[in-house]
Amino acid sequence: DAGVIQSPRHEVTEMGQEVTLRCKPISGHDYLFWYRQTMMRGLELLIYFNNNVPIDDSGMPEDRFSAKMPNASFSTLKIQPSEPRDSAVYFCASSLEQGEAFFGQGTRLTVV
Amino acid sequence: AQTVTQSQPEMSVQEAETVTLSCTYDTSESNYYLFWYKQPPSRQMILVIRQEAYKQQNATENRFSVNFQKAAKSFSLKISDSQLGDTAMYFCAYGNRDDKIIFGKGTRLHILP
Repeated sequence: DAGVIQSPRHEVTEMGQEVTLRCKPISGHDYLFWYRQTMMRGLELLIYFNNNVPIDDSGMPEDRFSAKMPNASFSTLKIQPSEPRDSAVYFCASSLEQGEAFFGQGTRLTVV
Repeated sequence: AQTVTQSQPEMSVQEAETVTLSCTYDTSESNYYLFWYKQPPSRQMILVIRQEAYKQQNATENRFSVNFQKAAKSFSLKISDSQLGDTAMYFCAYGNRDDKIIFGKGTRLHILP
């Protein structure tokens, strides 16, 4: 398996634009997590899914953030409208029955 | 709610020395997992070692070992014979079945030549 695949690796966008981050988890994994990493706040869990169903979205900072998992092999995290304070590295991770999380390479988002 | 605390924001040690990174956690669960992840400058998150709470024996992976004290809710990572390639951010993490995996804020480790 190629591991967790995220795209894009880097994204620069203007304030107010919509941003969509994509994730392909490891095949067979039943948990998917979206994390955000910043210097100030560290690694924050935004939302996680179990068998494509959102279980806990309490970490989603605002209504501007939304996440979907339409099937077992794909998830998106959308920010609309984006703001400069959303600049961070966004990680997707997947796991099997709550074993260790396998991370993607992350997407570095810069909102100018 | 579960929490993970890493009290050392940054550490520096000389190459070949042994270093211990601290981690404490809080949970009311009896069955759970603990992990240490390494994040080098490439930003890739790499699992270093894992420990199942039901196992009394401390996990070991080559130069990496843990000191798991369940009653004290402590989970420290020891790196022996440290190498320059060990320079990275280290995260302690907690997870259990049917629940999320949460991370501490990390310890930035510098191995000095």
